[in-house]
Amino acid sequence: QSVLTQPPSVSGAPGQRVTISCTGSSSNIGAGYDVHWYQQVPGTAPKLLVYGNNDRPSGVPDRFSVSKSGTSASLAITGLQAEDEAEYYCQSYDSSLSGSGVFGGGTKLTVL
Amino acid sequence: QVQLVQSGAEVKKPGSSVKVSCKASGVSFTSYAITWVRQAPGQGLEWMGGIIPIFGTANYAQKFQGRVTLTADKSTSTAYMELSSLRSDDTAVYYCAYTPPNTIVWYAVYWGQGTLVTVSS
Repeated sequence: QSVLTQPPSVSGAPGQRVTISCTGSSSNIGAGYDVHWYQQVPGTAPKLLVYGNNDRPSGVPDRFSVSKSGTSASLAITGLQAEDEAEYYCQSYDSSLSGSGVFGGGTKLTVL
Repeated sequence: QVQLVQSGAEVKKPGSSVKVSCKASGVSFTSYAITWVRQAPGQGLEWMGGIIPIFGTANYAQKFQGRVTLTADKSTSTAYMELSSLRSDDTAVYYCAYTPPNTIVWYAVYWGQGTLVTVSS
């Protein structure tokens, strides 16, 4: 069980806006550590989607954005497209754990 | 562009060890890190540890301390992950990934293709 909690699944119709939450605590997100987000299509390696303060690698559309408040972070996807159907993971650092990275449990996005 | 090429799939017996390699190209000689992440079948991502090849310094997730050894060969830009005392629940795809220098959160910008390790008697 991860220290970063994500909903197991979310869904939305094409064109809609969906958000995926990543809830942590005072030893990770609440302490101000960066939160990064990944997208994984089944059968492929994960892909970095958004990192740091809403930075996106080349090729990632601005339909993907993030926000952070207190001990939680969120990934928002606007103008939902069929190709957005995938698993999404958040990642941060937790000062109570050894190592330099911890992932959320993942959220399956279904485009209806 | 950074490319990471991993070694091929492995089948191992319980109690044995496995060593997965990850050759990097397109990286400059800076203090980047190579991070290792695994994914069991149908499960989420699990951060295992990482190493800064230029220094040879590594850090590990608590769960894997004592069982995982990360090394790197600067001369060939190749990183290695060795996992010992294998159990059936170590069956997973193991990924290496490029992490930029000087970050607190060791996040993965570029990923290898993954190496499936199957542990079975």
